[in-house]
Amino acid sequence: GAVVSQHPSRVICKSGTSVKIECRSLDFQATTMFWYRQFPKKSLMLMATSNEGSKATYEQGVEKDKFLINHASLTLSTLTVTSAHPEDSSFYICSASPLGQSSYNEQFFGPGTRLTVL
Amino acid sequence: AQTVTQSQPEMSVQEAETVTLSCTYDTSENNYYLFWYKQPPSRQMILVIRQEAYKQQNATENRFSVNFQKAAKSFSLKISDSQLGDTAMYFCAFSSMDSNYQLIWGAGTKLIIKP
Repeated sequence: GAVVSQHPSRVICKSGTSVKIECRSLDFQATTMFWYRQFPKKSLMLMATSNEGSKATYEQGVEKDKFLINHASLTLSTLTVTSAHPEDSSFYICSASPLGQSSYNEQFFGPGTRLTVL
Repeated sequence: AQTVTQSQPEMSVQEAETVTLSCTYDTSENNYYLFWYKQPPSRQMILVIRQEAYKQQNATENRFSVNFQKAAKSFSLKISDSQLGDTAMYFCAFSSMDSNYQLIWGAGTKLIIKP
């Protein structure tokens, strides 16, 4: 149980285009989903926290107009990288916290999406 | 603000040996949670072990155990009888109500198990 999927697993796009990454909780409902960015050989950097039906909360330094997050249902959150540029190339990971399961919002992680912007 | 420090960027041991990864953290809270996550080359983040701060007993999961020293704010991970499949990045993480249960991550330790 507690499986999180991400799609696509990798994407290559041209500079200036927009890319949408989907994060789905397959066997549970998630009140909260998190989006992370990970640079090579580095730790995870939290970009934003999204709750179903409300606006995402972005971390300091993350451009909300550049990284659009939509959490439209209890099983789906999307991250859209708008007008992507080569510096946006990175590994993006989502995680989801099951609804009412634990006192500490246990996170289950997706397999990640590698974005390469040419 | 809470911080998590992993002072070992990389470690390597022979297969079947025991290895200990270090983690220290800083917080003023009394109730919190500590985690060790494994990220193998596939880059899928996998929870290895979890410790609740209010529990004095160290958590164990098969070959994985922790040494939780609350007063010293230390949370090390011991891997016994290491296997080739243990080769991965290992991240220590902290979570508490004060941070809305967001995970605060350490920088990671790259562990290489040699055959």
